[in-house]
This record gives sequence, structure tokens and C-alpha cells, in this order.
Amino acid sequence: SAVISQKPSRDICQRGTSLTIQCQVDSQVTMMFWYRQQPGQSLTLIATANQGSEATYESGFVIDKFPISRPNLTFSTLTVSNMSPEDSSIYLCSVQQGLNTEAFFGQGTRLTVV
Amino acid sequence: KQEVTQIPAALSVPEGENLVLNCSFTDSAIYNLQWFRQDPGKGLTSLLLIQSSQREQTSGRLNASLDKSSGRSTLYIAASQPGDSATYLCAVRPYNFNKFYFGSGTKLNVKP
Repeated sequence: SAVISQKPSRDICQRGTSLTIQCQVDSQVTMMFWYRQQPGQSLTLIATANQGSEATYESGFVIDKFPISRPNLTFSTLTVSNMSPEDSSIYLCSVQQGLNTEAFFGQGTRLTVV
Repeated sequence: KQEVTQIPAALSVPEGENLVLNCSFTDSAIYNLQWFRQDPGKGLTSLLLIQSSQREQTSGRLNASLDKSSGRSTLYIAASQPGDSATYLCAVRPYNFNKFYFGSGTKLNVKP
């Protein structure tokens, strides 16, 4: 299994500002993903973080709003830009070694935008 | 498009009961199905992964089954404990899609 450290665990931010969330894995992983979980909802995939290249975004999510970096096989960041109260959610990092392998999640970042 | 449904949305049982959580999905062309638990405000903890070729997986008091042809999976929890109280999510990974489709979860409360 993989141990994932996600930082910060929570934050309260002013609207119009940006927050960068870090995801650090204790071993090299092939696949890294970022999910959003809005209050009372299930998880929605934001994007797949690709090592050394631009992330692959799901419909409804754009790079200008959610820039993602993945400089190596153990680390990724997600930035939530120009935040509004609608961005208040839990953001989760997930990793896998392959499509048919177990997925592991970080403990999440609970973001509140005021 | 794959749709995943979990029934019931919430369940409250007394401690010691055996219980079953249900997950159904609309497209049987899947790589695998995974069950997770989520405590309030926290991330997801992996419980069991079932590959498409498997019928069931067991871990301790948990047993998950998969009937791909009918698009159904169940999570059986034996001798429930208050510490089992959490939201349980199932997720399916379709063929040729690099993503999970999640159900909306079953919120379980086990009363002492």
C-alpha cells in the first residue's frame, strides 16, 4: 500500500485568493489523481496528474482554475485559483500503480472559502 | 455513461448485527470495483478491491461480492461495531476509462 501525505489538512481562505494543496507519496506511483467532494456529495474527478506534462482535465474543470503540477513520481500539487465560496469542498489526492490495482487516497484538504 | 447507485442512503443498526450494503452499476464492462469507508471530513480508506474476474473478497469481518453480469456488488459486515460507523462508498473503474465512478455512499450508524 501507499502512504499519502496531503497538506494542508484544512484551510479557510478569502475569496479571490489561491490555495496550493500538496500531495506527497512514500513511494513512486504511476498514476495520481485529484478529486473534489462538495458538501454532502460523492467524489468527482478533477484531473489526472501526468508526470512531466500537462494534466488531463475532466469535463467542467479547466487548467486556469485548477492548475496541477507533477514534477516527479511521488509528488503533485493542485492549486485552486481565484476562489469563490462555491469552491468550498474537500479536495483529495489519489494514487494507483495501474488501472487494475488498488486506489489509495490522502486524508483530504478541507477548504472553506469566505 | 457509467452510473453507480448505492442503497440505502443511510442505515442505523444496533451493535452486533450483520448487515449488507448494496451497490449497483449500469455498465458491466469494468476492470474492478473497490469499496471504501470515509469518516466525517476525512479521506477515503480502502476496504476491498474486487477484480472483474473475481466473485468475492474477504478481509476480517468484511466480505464483498461482485456479480458483474447483473451489475451488482454487496458489502457484508459481520458483527457490526460502533467503530464501523462511517460512510461507505463503492467505485467502479470501466474498461478504457482512466477514472473511477463513485456511488453517493451509504451512511452507516452502529448504535452501542
